[in-house]
Amino acid sequence: GDSVTQKEGLVTLTEGLPVMLNCTYQTIYSNAFLFWYVHYLNESPRLLLKSSTDNKRTEHQGFHATLHKSSSSFHLQKSSAQLSDSALYYCALGSSGNKLIFGIGTLLSVKP
Amino acid sequence: EAAVTQSPRNKVTVTGGNVTLSCRQTNSHNYMYWYRQDTGHGLRLIHYSYGAGNLQIGDVPDGYKATRTTQEDFFLLLELASPSQTSLYFCASSDAGGRAEQFFGPGTRLTVL
Repeated sequence: GDSVTQKEGLVTLTEGLPVMLNCTYQTIYSNAFLFWYVHYLNESPRLLLKSSTDNKRTEHQGFHATLHKSSSSFHLQKSSAQLSDSALYYCALGSSGNKLIFGIGTLLSVKP
Repeated sequence: EAAVTQSPRNKVTVTGGNVTLSCRQTNSHNYMYWYRQDTGHGLRLIHYSYGAGNLQIGDVPDGYKATRTTQEDFFLLLELASPSQTSLYFCASSDAGGRAEQFFGPGTRLTVL
């Protein structure tokens, strides 16, 4: 069945360093949609990025990700971490059904 | 104005108790979802619906019932609550199932003693 893997449960960075959160997925469907959601403390999860196009970079709010179907990956990147980026980040897969499959989430903690 | 609202925001009950969590969306979306969020497990889908009267089983349905009474309203029912159901519950809505953005409510924190 479909699945999403986020290997890092916690990523701790110093402000100003680059961010890379890993996401890989498994599905038999060629037209999968991949999403990154961000969940700030005491707020609701909300969409950060979305893509279904192979090898196309998608950007929003300083973050970017490129869907690579050859390696089934959709890693989230940012050139310079800010304190305000501290949050829980979910990668999610939408394929043939009417639901999303979420990874377990990566908690990003940015320190001064 | 919030498009997905949940009530109550916090709830404490005892083991064996009866709990109903409510969700209302004003997005005119067909799809609605109930998730629970737990550390180490992320967001897990309990039940979902693609219209009034429709119910689909999610990935962790045991111990939960759900009912979609209108396009706007989706309820999650715990008829015999257990401590393992202590969690943060989120409702979400979407206009195109697994291909579209989901809009989440503010969450309900449930504690079962």
